[in-house]
Amino acid sequence: ETGVTQSPTHLIKTRGQQVTLRCSSQSGHNTVSWYQQALGQGPQFIFQYYREEENGRGNFPPRFSGLQFPNYSSELNVNALELDDSALYLCASSLALAGGESTDTQYFGPGTRLTVL
Amino acid sequence: SQKIEQNSEALNIQEGKTATLTCNYTNYSPAYLQWYRQDPGRGPVFLLLIRENEKEKRKERLKVTFDTTLKQSLFHITASQPADSATYLCALDMMDSSYKLIFGSGTRLLVRP
Repeated sequence: ETGVTQSPTHLIKTRGQQVTLRCSSQSGHNTVSWYQQALGQGPQFIFQYYREEENGRGNFPPRFSGLQFPNYSSELNVNALELDDSALYLCASSLALAGGESTDTQYFGPGTRLTVL
Repeated sequence: SQKIEQNSEALNIQEGKTATLTCNYTNYSPAYLQWYRQDPGRGPVFLLLIRENEKEKRKERLKVTFDTTLKQSLFHITASQPADSATYLCALDMMDSSYKLIFGSGTRLLVRP
């Protein structure tokens, strides 16, 4: 086990709704990244948060947004859900040093399976 | 365009044999390359990291090679066991400002008893 937890485990929503997914980082980690993994594909980078600020974003529309809290836990919010948003959403925590240099290894949580009907 | 390619077909081998998985990439210059294992419905689990200036890295029954000229990494599992059956993902770490990982689509390994 990595020590990264995510909630909920599974979620079913309908098109147009909004969803919030939560992630608790591994103890001592200050960086969290979110990924979307469609069935049969590798994880796709959504964005990363470091010290409560967005620190890079992948090719996802603005309706995907996030937050990182002072305790380094994080939320992923998706507005106006579409059918193609159905996927496994993964968060990964890591430790970035003071200069912003990562210690390289990201530790993934078990994921939240989102189904949009 | 930038691509990461892993064998899309499952690799089916007999227990005790060596499994070799391939990761090829184009138009990237990664600082690191990482390999992860993923079981169905679970998050990826980190296995090995190899840097651009390293040719080979080993950990127990696992071995990774990294050829930046060929833009290829090979991942070997020696003395494979049925418990090694999973999907194996390679990921490029660009070491740019966000340290995001760029994943391949993975190769499913099946080890027959």
